[in-house]
Amino acid sequence: EAQVTQNPRYLITVTGKKLTVTCSQNMNHEYMSWYRQDPGLGLRQIYYSMNVEVTDKGDVPEGYKVSRKEKRNFPLILESPSPNQTSLYFCASSFRGRAEETQYFGPGTRLLVL
Amino acid sequence: AQKVTQAQTEISVVEKEDVTLDCVYETRDTTYYLFWYKQPPSGELVFLIRRNSFDEQNEISGRYSWNFQKSTSSFNFTITASQVVDSAVYFCALRERSGGYQKVTFGTGTKLQVIP
Repeated sequence: EAQVTQNPRYLITVTGKKLTVTCSQNMNHEYMSWYRQDPGLGLRQIYYSMNVEVTDKGDVPEGYKVSRKEKRNFPLILESPSPNQTSLYFCASSFRGRAEETQYFGPGTRLLVL
Repeated sequence: AQKVTQAQTEISVVEKEDVTLDCVYETRDTTYYLFWYKQPPSGELVFLIRRNSFDEQNEISGRYSWNFQKSTSSFNFTITASQVVDSAVYFCALRERSGGYQKVTFGTGTKLQVIP
């Protein structure tokens, strides 16, 4: 089954404690992306990756890091989480250059930073 | 810069009423794609439709229909005979050709509540 998986699905943490949210896709997609969703703001892009070892900033990259060492994985790293990073996070993937295709979204990760 | 505006923050309708969700976009590209997603209370994002900028035909899928008008930069979504299961947040999104389609810009969403 074609899918994007995210782990964990729910996470409560404290300010400053490093965390990683994993994202994995099994569709051999080149393009992967992270979004955060906040009330009244819709989904905003954090980082995206065109392929292995190629990443770039989206609209709201501050406080986040990503890496793309393998095609299927695109982890989101919060080195020192703060309460303003409390949000719902989505990972997405698609074939590069095929904009007519929809992005496939993961199920979301709800993060609460105390 | 690309922009998507969903001016309706929340809409409430009584079951079986028709409802239209508005989406207005801004782009300098001549080639782009528009999408609608549904986010039910469970939180996942469900793809509903995509439309490319060269295809202005309206589309109907069951109780759902979409009206794409380039002249007004709008891509509106109508639900006919709404049902309680239609209660969700609906997002309109835009993907441009420039920059290799890297970025998808989402509207802020419209929360639809269908009252039984």
